[in-house]
Amino acid sequence: QVQLVESGGGLVKPGGSLRLSCAASGFTFSDYSMSWIRQAPGTGLEWLSYIDSSESRIYYADSVKGRFTISRDNAKNSLYLQMNSLRAEDTAVYYCASSSQWPGVFDIWGQGTMVIVSS
Amino acid sequence: DIVMTQSPDSLAVSLGERATINCKSSQSVLYSSNNKNYLGWYQQKPGQPPKLLIYWASTRESGVPDRFSGSGSGTDFTLTISSLQAEDVAVYYCQQYYRTLYTFGQGTKLEIK
Repeated sequence: QVQLVESGGGLVKPGGSLRLSCAASGFTFSDYSMSWIRQAPGTGLEWLSYIDSSESRIYYADSVKGRFTISRDNAKNSLYLQMNSLRAEDTAVYYCASSSQWPGVFDIWGQGTMVIVSS
Repeated sequence: DIVMTQSPDSLAVSLGERATINCKSSQSVLYSSNNKNYLGWYQQKPGQPPKLLIYWASTRESGVPDRFSGSGSGTDFTLTISSLQAEDVAVYYCQQYYRTLYTFGQGTKLEIK
């Protein structure tokens, strides 16, 4: 079935790095744009980054620009988020989401992976 | 950035009654060339990822019950649940995709009265 599965979360010290992965299955991953969205504990949703199907358009929220890098490998049906210079305020559940209807309409979500930034 | 503001922050409605959630954008999300509002609604139940309910402000996603409907245009939008069911208890978010710096509302928590 259609599925996104995130991995790579965990506990990291402030200033550290982490790489999240998102494995897609059940749909033609290479046809669709993808995004990373996060949710800090007890709060709402924050869109972080977008990449189109061919990696020709990439966008970031101001809160992560210069620290996070989105990428994808269509041959491996995978999406990535390299997170550097992590801060306590980056603690959140990180979701990957695909947009098959239109860029920015998030119709498939993964279950999320937790990132905790703490000393 | 386009700021999305939802009201109310929380809402308690009796089973079978109508629930209405409002969403206001800081600028219009209506694209004049195609007359489409770049606005979506999501439902998030505890411990689960969000689920797309509505896009283009009023188009129901496949499989979403018809008690859910979206309306509005420009800067003011509404999500209506016509007859609240117990399984509709959740937090609801609006989101604009007019600008690529996508933004969500703060969420509205819907409970049973």
